[in-house]
Amino acid sequence: GAVVSQHPSWVICKSGTSVKIECRSLDFQATTMFWYRQFPKQSLMLMATSNEGSKATYEQGVEKDKFLINHASLTLSTLTVTSAHPEDSSFYICSATPATTDTQYFGPGTRLTVL
Amino acid sequence: AQTVTQSQPEMSVQEAETVTLSCTYDTSESDYYLFWYKQPPSRQMILVIRQEAYKQQNATENRFSVNFQKAAKSFSLKISDSQLGDAAMYFCAYLYSGGGADGLTFGKGTHLIIQP
Repeated sequence: GAVVSQHPSWVICKSGTSVKIECRSLDFQATTMFWYRQFPKQSLMLMATSNEGSKATYEQGVEKDKFLINHASLTLSTLTVTSAHPEDSSFYICSATPATTDTQYFGPGTRLTVL
Repeated sequence: AQTVTQSQPEMSVQEAETVTLSCTYDTSESDYYLFWYKQPPSRQMILVIRQEAYKQQNATENRFSVNFQKAAKSFSLKISDSQLGDAAMYFCAYLYSGGGADGLTFGKGTHLIIQP
């Protein structure tokens, strides 16, 4: 149980384009999902908290107009990187928490490369 | 704000031996959780073990156990009978449990190498 999927697993795009990453909880409902970013050989940094049916909460320094988050259902959150630039290249990981626990379960991550 | 510190960037251990990974944290809260996650080369984050701060008993999961010292704000991970599959990055993480949904605060990680 507690499986989280992400799609795509990797994406390459041109500078200036937008990219959408999906995060799904497969066997549980999640009112809250989280988006993290991990640069090479570094730790995970929380970007934003995605709340079902309401606006996302962004961490300090994260541009909400650049990283659009939509949590349209109890099993799906999407992260859209708008007008991507090479400095947005990174590994993006989502997590979700079942209602019965405080443990976060992670998706397999999405590697974004912006050319 | 809470912080998590892992002072060992890299550790090496012989297969079948025991290794301990260190983690300290700083928080002004009394209700929280602590976790150890493993990130193998696939980069999938895998939960290793969790500890509730209100519990005095140290958590154990098979070959993995923790030494939780709340007063010292220390949370080390002991891996017994190390196996080649244990090779990975290990991250210590903190979660405030006082209300609402919070994200995890991670340490910088420890790269664990298993020598055959």
